[in-house]
Amino acid sequence: GDSVTQMEGPVTLSEEAFLTINCTYTATGYPSLFWYVQYPGEGLQLLLKATKADDKGSNKGFEATYRKETTSFHLEKGSVQVSDSAVYFCALSGNQAGTALIFGKGTTLSVSS
Amino acid sequence: GAVVSQHPSWVICKSGTSVKIECRSLDFQATTMFWYRQFPKQSLMLMATSNEGSKATYEQGVEKDKFLINHASLTLSTLTVTSAHPEDSSFYICSARTGSQETQYFGPGTRLLVL
Repeated sequence: GDSVTQMEGPVTLSEEAFLTINCTYTATGYPSLFWYVQYPGEGLQLLLKATKADDKGSNKGFEATYRKETTSFHLEKGSVQVSDSAVYFCALSGNQAGTALIFGKGTTLSVSS
Repeated sequence: GAVVSQHPSWVICKSGTSVKIECRSLDFQATTMFWYRQFPKQSLMLMATSNEGSKATYEQGVEKDKFLINHASLTLSTLTVTSAHPEDSSFYICSARTGSQETQYFGPGTRLLVL
């Protein structure tokens, strides 16, 4: 079945460091790919998404490119802030209407000043 | 736009009681709602998918008689945990989507503690 694999955390960085969180997927067809962020004590928020190969999703300085050849959707940010500390989830959605999201296990990011 | 609310945000109950959690889409019609469960430091596990006006589809291993889901309108779905036990303690999160759109909008979650 479809699945998402994320790099193990936690990831600990200093402010202004470069961030990469790896995400690879296994899916039939052409899924849409998402990154969600969960701040402490809160629900999930959509960070960015890409719906087809070579699409780049971006938001709040974060970027991820849908790479079909490597089945990857790595999340990057050039300069992290303390406020970026959260849990980041990579997810995919099948292209059938009503399909639920399949999540990776989540990667905890901790940024210190 | 695309706000989803959940109520209550947290609840503590005694073992054996039932707890109802509401999920509402505030500014759009949610043709499909999803219920997830999240254990500490774990990912979200899909429990069930519900489409307005029809019975929910439960994931393998989820007891449909224990986790009752109702999606009676396009803006409201409820999850009732019947005869709750301590092992049901978890963070329950709903999400909603409309029509054929892929993006799901998540509620803030409900933390359930069963004593």
